[in-house]
Amino acid sequence: DGGITQSPKYLFRKEGQNVTLSCEQNLNHDAMYWYRQDPGQGLRLIYYSQIVNDFQKGDIAEGYSVSREKKESFPLTVTSAQKNPTAFYLCASSSQSAGAGEAFFGQGTRLTVV
Amino acid sequence: GIQVEQSPPDLILQEGANSTLRCNFSDSVNNLQWFHQNPWGQLINLFYIPSGTKQNGRLSATTVATERYSLLYISSSQTTDSGVYFCAVIGFVGDDTGKLIFGQGTTLQVKP
Repeated sequence: DGGITQSPKYLFRKEGQNVTLSCEQNLNHDAMYWYRQDPGQGLRLIYYSQIVNDFQKGDIAEGYSVSREKKESFPLTVTSAQKNPTAFYLCASSSQSAGAGEAFFGQGTRLTVV
Repeated sequence: GIQVEQSPPDLILQEGANSTLRCNFSDSVNNLQWFHQNPWGQLINLFYIPSGTKQNGRLSATTVATERYSLLYISSSQTTDSGVYFCAVIGFVGDDTGKLIFGQGTTLQVKP
């Protein structure tokens, strides 16, 4: 089945540790996105990538890093520099053909840092 | 950058009632989508609607791109319609090019 897979669904880490969240898509989409959602809040853009080997900072990139070495993969690393990493993280992709395209989301990863 | 504003922020309905959710955006966009976030956090695609009108069962949406707004209509609401409704746009000018930008959402509660 075509879609976006985020793993793991739940993740627990100790404070001060880096952690990498996985996002894989088999939709052949060019663009991929990472969002953070806090309880009762909207989605805030962390990083996005429109093409392999290129990515741009979103609104809240500090304390996060990404890579886009393959079209189908866009992993997000939450570093120890992120002051408040506990949140729900969502990954999306879109075709971006002719500058636009329908976006689809993965099921999300709930990260808890203790 | 592009601003996306949704109204109302919260809405409480009795089952069977109709409602209209609004999404205003501050600049020309390439893409407009409506999503429903269920209680488990999953974002469900409702409509991809850069312009015009679409219908899917009890839900319909209209986007008037020249006036920079979109409306989501929910008719005969059911308790399963509860959740948060988001609209999102993709910019195509300057720093907003390729950015998928969300509004703050409308939280809908449908009471039995």
